[in-house]
Amino acid sequence: GAVVSQHPSRVICKSGTSVKIECRSLDFQATTMFWYRQFPKQSLMLMATSNEGSKATYEQGVEKDKFLINHASLTLSTLTVTSAHPEDSSFYICSACGQPATNEKLFFGSGTQLSVL
Amino acid sequence: EDKVVQSPLSLVVHEGDTVTLNCSYEVTNFRSLLWYKQEKKAPTFLFMLTSSGIEKKSGRLSSILDKKELFSILNITATQTGDSAVYLCAVGLTGNQFYFGTGTSLTVIP
Repeated sequence: GAVVSQHPSRVICKSGTSVKIECRSLDFQATTMFWYRQFPKQSLMLMATSNEGSKATYEQGVEKDKFLINHASLTLSTLTVTSAHPEDSSFYICSACGQPATNEKLFFGSGTQLSVL
Repeated sequence: EDKVVQSPLSLVVHEGDTVTLNCSYEVTNFRSLLWYKQEKKAPTFLFMLTSSGIEKKSGRLSSILDKKELFSILNITATQTGDSAVYLCAVGLTGNQFYFGTGTSLTVIP
């Protein structure tokens, strides 16, 4: 089945630093990738949708200058949390869907636990 | 406004019980309904439903979709502690959009 790789799985950083999270589709071309944030025992909160080669579409309330998303190729999307602060600490997870054979399902990365000190 | 609602939000049962999780939706351009199980990390795919009345089954889990009444149920029979997880329902729309419900947190007590 389709595989999405996300890394790093865990990041601990100081307040004010920037953190980049990568999401790769390993065996299919991901025309669309999604980035979510999740708090403990809660559902996935969609942050943004990115289509390859175009600007990401951000959900209401998500600061695009703080959460930079790049989807430069059909197999890679990145989320950069700029100038991270403790309130940005959370579980971030990506998902992808692709060409007709795979586009009806979402395939998830394994998630990144971000802790900002 | 498109929305997906899951109920109950949380559920605690004993091993061996049968549970039914609900997912109702109001969306335009419905394409599919998907169920995922999430334990500690990434959600894992359970079922994808596109047609009404056709039950999908995998072991002790089964699911069915009603496109007229706009809901789906996920059944788990003879529950085990390993079934403890958050169960997510997502509705896929045309144009690669997906809406997630709030999730149901299931806890199975030995």
